[in-house]
Amino acid sequence: AQSVTQPDIHITVSEGASLELRCNYSYGATPYLFWYVQSPGQGLQLLLKYFSGDTLVQGIKGFEAEFKRSQSSFNLRKPSVHWSDAAEYFCVRYNFNKFYFGSGTKLNVKP
Amino acid sequence: DTGVSQDPRHKITKRGQNVTFRCDPISEHNRLYWYRQTLGQGPEFLTYFQNEAQLEKSRLLSDRFSAERPKGSFSTLEIQRTEQGDSAMYLCASSLSVDYEQYFGPGTRLTVT
Repeated sequence: AQSVTQPDIHITVSEGASLELRCNYSYGATPYLFWYVQSPGQGLQLLLKYFSGDTLVQGIKGFEAEFKRSQSSFNLRKPSVHWSDAAEYFCVRYNFNKFYFGSGTKLNVKP
Repeated sequence: DTGVSQDPRHKITKRGQNVTFRCDPISEHNRLYWYRQTLGQGPEFLTYFQNEAQLEKSRLLSDRFSAERPKGSFSTLEIQRTEQGDSAMYLCASSLSVDYEQYFGPGTRLTVT
């Protein structure tokens, strides 16, 4: 079955610290991968996407993600977290006209 | 463009009643998706339209669920004979078929009592 796994349900980091959110996907072939953020009371917003080419992709709000085929991973990173980054983050895979969401990682930012 | 809108934002209904939700996508977007999101989970795909044609339906979409996009613009999602298990956030998203960037609406939160 096609799936996206986000192994961390909750993560807490201090403001200014670096961040890495993990994402693993299953089911071979070159995936189309995305990261979305869902802030309280707001709709899902696209942070970045990967289709092909350069495996390090830059997104909005200072986020980046790296596609590693050998590890079936697409981890999201940010060098310095801001309090406004507290939200839930979803890794998403597109395949055969459907989008498959991971279960999400809730990020808490300590002052 | 004001983005994707959904109406209503909240709906409380009694078990057994029918409910209908509306989604207005971004005007030039020809693809429209419906998702269901329950607490602690990521959105689950329900169905999608390319213009007015419904091209995919999830197995999650039982016979009580029906979706339409009559003129390739707005879409409706109807749930008949609601059950408590239908309580969830129903999300709509739209995109162009030439890329895969979905723009999401704020969702309709359904509570079945």
